[in-house]
Amino acid sequence: QPVLTQPPSASASLGASVTLTCTLSSGYSNYKVDWYQQRPGKGPRFVMRVGTGGIVGSRGDGIPDRFSVLGSGLNRYLTIKNIQEEDESDYHCGADHGSGNNFSWVFGGGTKLTVL
Amino acid sequence: QVQLVQSGAEVKKPGASVKVSCRASGYTFTGYYMHWVRQAPGQGLEWMGWINPNSGGTNYAQKFQGRVTMTRDTSISTAYMELSRLRSDDTAVYYCARDRDILAGRGGPWGQGTPVTVSS
Repeated sequence: QPVLTQPPSASASLGASVTLTCTLSSGYSNYKVDWYQQRPGKGPRFVMRVGTGGIVGSRGDGIPDRFSVLGSGLNRYLTIKNIQEEDESDYHCGADHGSGNNFSWVFGGGTKLTVL
Repeated sequence: QVQLVQSGAEVKKPGASVKVSCRASGYTFTGYYMHWVRQAPGQGLEWMGWINPNSGGTNYAQKFQGRVTMTRDTSISTAYMELSRLRSDDTAVYYCARDRDILAGRGGPWGQGTPVTVSS
């Protein structure tokens, strides 16, 4: 199954932009990845799904258009523009693996985004 | 609105079992697989398995095979996850998460989480 790798931390100043990266292990370049936002003390919420062609489907409920995604090779990116205080969260990437009765979810380790 | 509401926090001794519930509302319960995911303190998300609420079929992560049981009660739109032979490293927040809405092209909702503490 794929391994998803995320840097443990990132930071950006209020009003700036930041790009978070999720890297798939070799051989899984066709995989789509879901991005999740997890605010402190809350459960994760779906942000967007991304493949090599960009967004797949639609944004999650309440996700502003300051959030965008791109995909290239083994990397899946989440960019946040005009960062706000409420964007300070853990961001997780995840992927479906397998099919039928054997399908599963796989997650990266998460990136903690600090807003300076 | 679509919502998943989980049962409250639990404290268990090593070797005991815990059963967490997840009540769904706002959609057809039997129409979407339900996943269970846990998050140990300061750690990332770990997938535990899923249940098909329509058939009752399950698929568990290999790590939890033999210790986890996922069930459902369609009459009350509720999924359950029971973990047995608890150890201290099972201390985590346990989430239920509905599978994605393929037609809407969007991921599903998550519950609010159930903290489980395993301590002697």
